[in-house]
Amino acid sequence: SAVISQKPSRDICQRGTSLTIQCQVDSQVTMMFWYRQQPGQSLTLIATANQGSEATYESGFVIDKFPISRPNLTFSTLTVSNMSPEDSSIYLCSVGGTQYFGPGTRLLVL
Amino acid sequence: GESVGLHLPTLSVQEGDNSIINCAYSNSASDYFIWYKQESGKGPQFIIDIRSNMDKRQGQRVTVLLNKTVKHLSLQIAATQPGDSAVYFCAEAPGSGGSNYKLTFGKGTLLTVNP
Repeated sequence: SAVISQKPSRDICQRGTSLTIQCQVDSQVTMMFWYRQQPGQSLTLIATANQGSEATYESGFVIDKFPISRPNLTFSTLTVSNMSPEDSSIYLCSVGGTQYFGPGTRLLVL
Repeated sequence: GESVGLHLPTLSVQEGDNSIINCAYSNSASDYFIWYKQESGKGPQFIIDIRSNMDKRQGQRVTVLLNKTVKHLSLQIAATQPGDSAVYFCAEAPGSGGSNYKLTFGKGTLLTVNP
């Protein structure tokens, strides 16, 4: 299994600002996934990030709102842009076919 | 008024009892299924998986049953312990490899184990 860390673990942000979330894996992986978990709800896939190519976004998510970087096989970032209170969620990265998850970033937008 | 999606199905059991958590999946083409456990303040933790060519798989204290005819998945936890208290999610994927590992998660069930 992979060990995944995320930074920050939590943050409180003002509306209109942006936050970049980092995901670090202890081994090289081809695919990384970013999910959103709104309060009390299940997980929804935002996008799939492969190293060396642009991220693939799911329906309802766009690159301008959630730009993703994947500079190497152990690291990825997700930016939540121009935030509103509706963006308050837990953001999680995962790796691998079985999909091991990071601890999540808890975001509150005021 | 009631907010959609904020009320998880709940299951409350006594310590030592067996627990059964159910999940109905939507895509008949799904080939791969996973159960996750999510404790408060943590990310989902892999419990057990099963592929569509199987109908049962056992792990340590857990068993997953798959009924493709009715698109139903269940997780059985034997001798439930207080540490099993968490939200349990099922997830489905259309196949193995590449983008086919895009998981669709179920709603989740809150399991509470009473000592």
